[in-house]
Amino acid sequence: KQEVTQIPAALSVPEGENLVLNCSFTDSAIYNLQWFRQDPGKGLTSLLLIQSSQREQTSGRLNASLDKSSGRSTLYIAASQPGDSATYLCAVDNQAGTALIFGKGTTLSVSS
Amino acid sequence: ETGVTQTPRHLVMGMTNKKSLKCEQHLGHNAMYWYKQSAKKPLELMFVYNFKEQTENNSVPSRFSPECPNSSHLFLHLHTLQPEDSALYLCASSQAGGIPETQYFGPGTRLLVL
Repeated sequence: KQEVTQIPAALSVPEGENLVLNCSFTDSAIYNLQWFRQDPGKGLTSLLLIQSSQREQTSGRLNASLDKSSGRSTLYIAASQPGDSATYLCAVDNQAGTALIFGKGTTLSVSS
Repeated sequence: ETGVTQTPRHLVMGMTNKKSLKCEQHLGHNAMYWYKQSAKKPLELMFVYNFKEQTENNSVPSRFSPECPNSSHLFLHLHTLQPEDSALYLCASSQAGGIPETQYFGPGTRLLVL
């Protein structure tokens, strides 16, 4: 059974710092890996999707990497801003058109 | 309306009530999902519909009853719920077979069962 773990559970940094969020999964036979952002009481916003054949994806200040063989992904946020404060969720799916399996998330707080 | 919408946004109900959650996607997708997000637990799948047919039921109690009348609408009918069913219920949609297949989420319905 696929399990997704995110470390750390919470992170506080001052504005301007670069930071890394970690995600690990137990079954390397994944189809896609996605990173989402969730603001308090709100739905999820997709940030980056990495297909199983890819190693990384970039969008603005965000860079996500994928190492399927070791069952790990990282989300790198450059030059963090207070507006980046949110919960970041990692999710994988094992097959097209099936449910995503989520980690518990990392709650990020960026202070100005 | 754009994206995925959900109504109501907040719902308080007693254990003997019957209510329904509604989800509508305006993205032309063919797959829709219900997820449950409880405090301190990962988001967990409840149901998946592909082309209006239920393809996954993640051992959800029968007091939750999904309905998918067409590929744009998804309902979750609730009856005789328990206080532990209080959670954020999220709907998502995707284009099954799309490359890549990104799921788009609605804002959720915050449910409180008294």
